[in-house]
Amino acid sequence: QTVVTQEPSFSVSPGGTVTLTCGLSSGSVSASYYPSWYQQTPGQAPRTLIYSTNTRSSGVPDRFSGSILGSKAALTITGAQADDESDYYCVMFMDSAVVFGGGTKLTVL
Amino acid sequence: EVQLLESGGGLVQPGGSLRLSCAASGFTFSNYAMSWVRQAPGKGLEWVSGISGRGDSTYYADSVKGRFTISRDNSKNTLYLQMNSLRVEDTAVYYCAEGYYSYMDVSDKGTTVTVSS
Repeated sequence: QTVVTQEPSFSVSPGGTVTLTCGLSSGSVSASYYPSWYQQTPGQAPRTLIYSTNTRSSGVPDRFSGSILGSKAALTITGAQADDESDYYCVMFMDSAVVFGGGTKLTVL
Repeated sequence: EVQLLESGGGLVQPGGSLRLSCAASGFTFSNYAMSWVRQAPGKGLEWVSGISGRGDSTYYADSVKGRFTISRDNSKNTLYLQMNSLRVEDTAVYYCAEGYYSYMDVSDKGTTVTVSS
């Protein structure tokens, strides 16, 4: 079974820009995988940030953007803020199943 | 405003059964596919199952296939997850979500299932 891969951790300075990526253990990501991104802070439910590659969910600031870079899906955060410190999960649609990546723990410091 | 409220969680022994419910409001329930997503303690998110708006198509993660059954009652705006042959590794917070593969809006509540002897 194809695994969805993410960086385990990443750090960014306040005000900086960071790009988190999401790949597949086999093959390249394309729009047909409907890549999406979720943000989760400890003790809270996950919040949808981006769906269908690059569509921002309602209420999500435009500092968050989604794209496909090369063979991977990407989430870019520009002007990082302290409350962006969270776990970020990407999701892919494969063979009628929805598969979450292992998540990236983003530290803002 | 979309509101999703899960119920039915609790403590159950390995091999036991439990049925989760998710009461939906704030949108036309029958028009939307729905999903269940779970998160084991200290672990990441895992999609469990999805169902079409009419309830005629269902989808499962390999980890629960053959043990869990998703269903819905559109007259009651309610989503269900029947969980049989429960295992210790099914212990998690279970969230229902509006949507399936292209978009999921996950409930902010969840219900806790603990499988333990």
